[in-house]
Amino acid sequence: QVQLQASGPGLVKPSETLSLTCNVSGGSMHNYYWSWIRQPAGKGLEWIARIYTTGSTDYNPSLKSRVSMSVDTSKKQFSLHLSSVTAADTAVYYCAMEGYSHYYVMDVWGQGTPVTVSS
Amino acid sequence: EIVLTQSPGTLSLSPGERATLSCRASQRVAGSYLAWYQQRPGQAPRVLIYGTSSRATGIPDRFSGSGSGTDFTLTISRLEPEDFAVYYCQKYGGSLMWTFGQGTKVEIK
Repeated sequence: QVQLQASGPGLVKPSETLSLTCNVSGGSMHNYYWSWIRQPAGKGLEWIARIYTTGSTDYNPSLKSRVSMSVDTSKKQFSLHLSSVTAADTAVYYCAMEGYSHYYVMDVWGQGTPVTVSS
Repeated sequence: EIVLTQSPGTLSLSPGERATLSCRASQRVAGSYLAWYQQRPGQAPRVLIYGTSSRATGIPDRFSGSGSGTDFTLTISRLEPEDFAVYYCQKYGGSLMWTFGQGTKVEIK
């Protein structure tokens, strides 16, 4: 059974770049899409970006200018980089796997890593 | 871009009652691309329904999904204590690859 573990710095200063990593265990990364989703406290879910194991990416148009993703299948991990952060980027960030058991869903999720943007 | 609007925002019900949650899309959504998630406090979301009406692995049969076009419904036939949570619909596809509704909270009355 695939499991995901997200990790990050916890606290980031405004204008800096947020970097998060998701470690994958229990299965192969190949031939799947891997996504990041965030959730501000008390609010809903926002999809940020996804990457295929070939390195092909899709980004949320509202964040595209500040977001990048990378994947390292040898380390079984993928990463999110969000530049020029502001307080509006404070949220719990989840990593997720698409299509593990079913098509067109995110059916494996990490536990989420909280990020606070503050000086 | 397609917007998903869920209603009601909050549903106050008692254990054993039936819950009916709505998700309305601003444009037609292909049935294969509509899913429902449950999120309990402090937990990550988990998929309940995919392809509008198929239950994900391990999901009890009291959860069912239906709908087509722009109107979709999640029904919980008899609420169990663990079902009080927030539910999100989600669609796949388009320039915004994944879109979530704003959520419906099912709370204990």
